[in-house]
Amino acid sequence: TQLLEQSPQFLSIQEGENLTVYCNSSSVFSSLQWYRQEPGEGPVLLVTVVTGGEVKKLKRLTFQFGDARKDSSLHITAAQPGDTGLYLCALRSNDYKLSFGAGTTVTVRA
Amino acid sequence: EAGVAQSPRYKIIEKRQSVAFWCNPISGHATLYWYQQILGQGPKLLIQFQNNGVVDDSQLPKDRFSAERLKGVDSTLKIQPAKLEDSAVYLCASSRTVLYGYTFGSGTRLTVV
Repeated sequence: TQLLEQSPQFLSIQEGENLTVYCNSSSVFSSLQWYRQEPGEGPVLLVTVVTGGEVKKLKRLTFQFGDARKDSSLHITAAQPGDTGLYLCALRSNDYKLSFGAGTTVTVRA
Repeated sequence: EAGVAQSPRYKIIEKRQSVAFWCNPISGHATLYWYQQILGQGPKLLIQFQNNGVVDDSQLPKDRFSAERLKGVDSTLKIQPAKLEDSAVYLCASSRTVLYGYTFGSGTRLTVV
């Protein structure tokens, strides 16, 4: 069974600061997705990364896929209160099923 | 396009009672998933449908959980009888096919007391 570990579990920062959250797998994965889940809502897909070393940017969010395809990170620049939420990474298996990590709860204080 | 609709949003029941959740996926989406998200954890797949057929129910506790998608559109998830540990958010997601990304509904928050 392939396991995903996310760290840190909780992160609280002031508006304008930067933050990074991490996702690590027990083995190599073919593709990984990042989701954000706001309280009372379902997860919303942010990005899919498939190539080792790949970097994708989505406005102030930068996603990186490790060269060995066993880890990924999400960096947020100049965080805003609207970035508050649960950030989940998910492995997409060869049969397209998703397995989620436990998530990082990010709180951005105004 | 309209999103994935789920109802009810909240449900509180006593242990050993029964409960049912309803999901209406995005029109045209053949694949439908039910996930269970316990507080502090990521979503865990319970069952996957392709049209009206079950693709994967390996993690569904079949002694108490059941799900159906009779006409390949709406789906219901039932728990009978409920246990305290079933307290969670039940998320429904759909995709056009397995190759496409998922769209999640807002979920049903179940509290078993």
